[in-house]
Amino acid sequence: AQSVTQLDSHVSVSEGTPVLLRCNYSSSYSPSLFWYVQHPNKGLQLLLKYTSAATLVKGINGFEAEFKKSETSFHLTKPSAHMSDAAEYFCVVSDPYAGGTSYGKLTFGQGTILTVHP
Amino acid sequence: NAGVTQTPKFQVLKTGQSMTLQCAQDMNHEYMSWYRQDPGMGLRLIHYSVGAGITDQGEVPNGYNVSRSTTEDFPLRLLSAAPSQTSVYFCASSYSNYNEQFFGPGTRLTVL
Repeated sequence: AQSVTQLDSHVSVSEGTPVLLRCNYSSSYSPSLFWYVQHPNKGLQLLLKYTSAATLVKGINGFEAEFKKSETSFHLTKPSAHMSDAAEYFCVVSDPYAGGTSYGKLTFGQGTILTVHP
Repeated sequence: NAGVTQTPKFQVLKTGQSMTLQCAQDMNHEYMSWYRQDPGMGLRLIHYSVGAGITDQGEVPNGYNVSRSTTEDFPLRLLSAAPSQTSVYFCASSYSNYNEQFFGPGTRLTVL
């Protein structure tokens, strides 16, 4: 079975300082991993994805994440936070071999709310 | 290209009423799914479909029905609404199980 743990429910940073959102996963096979962002009262937008290519993945808006198989982690980082980054972030794992069909069911973490102070 | 669309955006129901949440996509995606989002719980999978005529249960299917008669549409039916079904519902679609899912804007449902 697959699972995702986002280690912080809330992260607060000052504008211009680095952002680190932590995610650990569990999966039986080589998973696909995603980070999604959700701004208040909006749908989910894909930030970046890892699908067994390069372990350092670059996404939109300056975010990147590194896949570390030995640590089963996929932490999201950004060198310098912007006010517009304030949102909720979800780490998501997809195991294409989970379940009776080959459908890659998504398992979501509980979310991390990022607050950015001026 | 509208992507994934959902209607309605907001809905208030009384306990015991039934309704259908609509979802449509124009990207010719085979995979479609319904999630509910509750505070502190992330998104949980209700039902999903891997193509027209094929559906299966997700993590929290009780109280919900789905069908998939066309590639484009994937409606979610609440047969007898309960207050526990108060939530935000998201529909999503994807090309395959390795690709990212595209989400609709959501339907905020309140059951009194």
